[in-house]
This record gives sequence, structure tokens and C-alpha cells, in this order.
Amino acid sequence: NAGVTQTPKFRILKIGQSMTLQCTQDMNHNYMYWYRQDPGMGLKLIYYSVGAGITDKGEVPNGYNVSRSTTEDFPLRLELAAPSQTSVYFCASSETLYNEQFFGPGTRLTVL
Amino acid sequence: AQSVTQLDSQVPVFEEAPVELRCNYSSSVSVYLFWYVQYPNQGLQLLLKYLSGSTLVKGINGFEAEFNKSQTSFHLRKPSVHISDTAEYFCAVSEPGNTGKLIFGQGTTLQVKP
Repeated sequence: NAGVTQTPKFRILKIGQSMTLQCTQDMNHNYMYWYRQDPGMGLKLIYYSVGAGITDKGEVPNGYNVSRSTTEDFPLRLELAAPSQTSVYFCASSETLYNEQFFGPGTRLTVL
Repeated sequence: AQSVTQLDSQVPVFEEAPVELRCNYSSSVSVYLFWYVQYPNQGLQLLLKYLSGSTLVKGINGFEAEFNKSQTSFHLRKPSVHISDTAEYFCAVSEPGNTGKLIFGQGTTLQVKP
């Protein structure tokens, strides 16, 4: 049982490039979340999903897109990367509402 | 909108001393409250949560927290810390509704000194 896995661990992008951050969970959780963590700012919710085929915006969705075609996968797409998107990105999943969210190890992204 | 304030950005403490990390939230309606810990270069893991019932909640690694509705607080305590408790601690509150979304505080760095 691997839990929540994220790839890649690290990535450097040039301004204007695009990339997809991968997130997979093997716990059959319906609820999945993407957060970004900036120094001294805590975690901010980017997008979330309450089940396959259902996604919605969180607090800071601009510049990102998501899809949820399966229960297991919840990729985050960055289009036209900007320096403001330099951050650590965490994916999380939860079995039920208000239950523990399980976090992946994070992806550290730098946009130069 | 819901908000969470962690009153201390850094808390230095000596090993075996007690510690309290403070957390206040804004909502006066029923909420669910969580404390997560993040060790260096790792993801977050749950320490404890309050959903209902007893206001004193016990978690892993000897931590506990007390829910105080009148003061809208959820402070985290440990009677005797270890070097291994050095980490970032996040308080979070669930946003009312059916999404399970969490609102996080800014985090408190606990530095345990020998």
C-alpha cells in the first residue's frame, strides 16, 4: 500500500513552459486535493475533487487545471509557467468527509 | 470566510520541557479541527482531530489539544518534548459544506534544543 505518490519530486521550468504534476493514490479514496505551500504561508487549496469526473476550484486556481478520469489519479496541469508558481505542491486524499487527509511527499517546482 | 491564525511562527524550547502551540479560528459555527505535523522534506501527517464529543483530544506521539468553543481556540500541547519533535506544525479547520476542504494556518516551527 503506497498511499499517495507524486511525481516528479523536483522540477525546474522556464517561464512559459507547461508541465503536469502527477498524483496517484491506491486507497480508493473519493476525495482528492491539490495544495501549494509557500514559505511562511501555510497550505493553500488549488483544486479539489469529490469523485471521478467531478472537480472544482479551491482558493488559488488561476494558472492551473485538473482532471479526474479515475478514482486513483488526479493530475495537476500548469500552463504557461510563471515565477509566481514557484512552490512546493502537495496532493492529498481522504476516504470520507472530515476524515484524515493523507498527503503525498510533495513536488518542489522552480520557475525561472 | 473561514480563517485560521497560528499565533507563533517559531517556538524554541528545550528538550523535556512542556510546549503549547496556539491556534485560533474565525468561525462561530460548528467546525472540525485538525493538527498536522510536517517533518523536513516530507508531506504532512495527522497528529489529531476534533470532530465532536470530548473537548480534550489525544493524538499520536504524546500530543493533545483542547477545543474551546467560546474562545474559538484549539491549542496543541505536549508535556515533555523530544528532539525528534522538531518540525512544522499546522492547525487546520474544515470549511462547512460537503467538500472536506481544509483551511490551514500559517504554521509554527517547533525547535527543540538539547
